[in-house]
Amino acid sequence: DADVTQTPRNRITKTGKRIMLECSQTKGHDRMYWYRQDPGLGLRLIYYSFDVKDINKGEISDGYSVSRQAQAKFSLSLESAIPNQTALYFCATSEDQGSRAGELFFGEGSRLTVL
Amino acid sequence: AQSVTQPDIHITVSEGASLELRCNYSYGATPYLFWYVQSPGQGLQLLLKYFSGDTLVQGIKGFEAEFKRSQSSFNLRKPSVHWSDAAEYFCAVGDVVNAGNMLTFGGGTRLMVKP
Repeated sequence: DADVTQTPRNRITKTGKRIMLECSQTKGHDRMYWYRQDPGLGLRLIYYSFDVKDINKGEISDGYSVSRQAQAKFSLSLESAIPNQTALYFCATSEDQGSRAGELFFGEGSRLTVL
Repeated sequence: AQSVTQPDIHITVSEGASLELRCNYSYGATPYLFWYVQSPGQGLQLLLKYFSGDTLVQGIKGFEAEFKRSQSSFNLRKPSVHWSDAAEYFCAVGDVVNAGNMLTFGGGTRLMVKP
């Protein structure tokens, strides 16, 4: 089983609908992230959480919200989806220090299409 | 603000040929530098990272990268490319010590390998 699991893997929805992307991890990491990937733009940080009570906005948080339900679960919500939120979304985790600091462990991605 | 530029959007090389993928960064302090690879339909996987010390770092799958402070570059190299290396490659810069695992990614370089 994957260490970082994202659901759904693919979703097509309509403008104005509420969408939730879920992420769960078995790596035991405190730090979790949501990134968005667009062609030519690389990955951009939406939100990050360093523990259950610590949630922070990233570079492009407008139109998104998150919930850290437990150490292992971090959900991304689009309250009212719009077409320019069509993208590939990645959840990632990391250790907070030590030899593997800076190494992000990614899920396989959730492809979202907003019509 | 930190930024990463990958000048080549697409690169095509023949199998067995050498490879160099370019990465230039802008960062105000000592950078922490990373290369990630994304195979089709997969999340990103860490290839290698530079924190300090020897400026030539070795990674997985036969890849290496050289940090050149004077040129603000961290180019990725491989002496002989295999067909399985076809993927998208991302360079990233971060401040692991002061800002957690806050990585900024470049736009990516898509590598195609000709038989």
